[in-house]
Amino acid sequence: GAVVSQHPSRVICKSGTSVKIECRSLDFQATTMFWYRQFPKQSLMLMATSNEGSKATYEQGVEKDKFLINHASLTLSTLTVTSAHPEDSSFYICSAREPQRGGRYGEQYFGPGTRLTVT
Amino acid sequence: RKEVEQDPGPFNVPEGATVAFNCTYSNSASQSFFWYRQDCRKEPKLLMSVYSSGNEDGRFTAQLNRASQYISLLIRDSKLSDSATYLCVVKGNRDDKIIFGKGTRLHILP
Repeated sequence: GAVVSQHPSRVICKSGTSVKIECRSLDFQATTMFWYRQFPKQSLMLMATSNEGSKATYEQGVEKDKFLINHASLTLSTLTVTSAHPEDSSFYICSAREPQRGGRYGEQYFGPGTRLTVT
Repeated sequence: RKEVEQDPGPFNVPEGATVAFNCTYSNSASQSFFWYRQDCRKEPKLLMSVYSSGNEDGRFTAQLNRASQYISLLIRDSKLSDSATYLCVVKGNRDDKIIFGKGTRLHILP
């Protein structure tokens, strides 16, 4: 199956700093990528949907100025957590979707996740 | 009512036993249903899709009941390696948004 990579896999940063997480689709072009967040013992929550070349669509309650998403190419999306605080500590997972075919959405593949700890 | 609800467990089941989970969803217009497996501190991985007619993949059987808006997962002859969290996933039709349940934790005991 298709592969999605994330970098870094784990990051520890100090409160107030910014952290960038990269998500790459390795063997397909992803016109749409998704960013999820998962707190311990909670479900994955969709944060935003990003389409290549356009602004991301954020879910209700997610601050777009705090979580900056850039989907500059068909294989790369980045999530920047600005001015991180301890409550932003979480498991961030990206997902990339294959292009539509025959009017149907493509398969969605998940990256391995990035564990962010803000001290 | 939450969009997707699951019993969080944990289910502690002896090796070799059969275990079943249910998941209910609130949006009757939902079109696609899946079970994902998530190991501790890892990303979720697709276990199987759930079809209206029910489907089986080895020891795993998934069923969909549209009238009652629930899906189920049955695991037969459980193995130690089946220990994980099982996520119920529902996908809309129009926006293709994936909604995850909180997951059901399964511990297979030796």
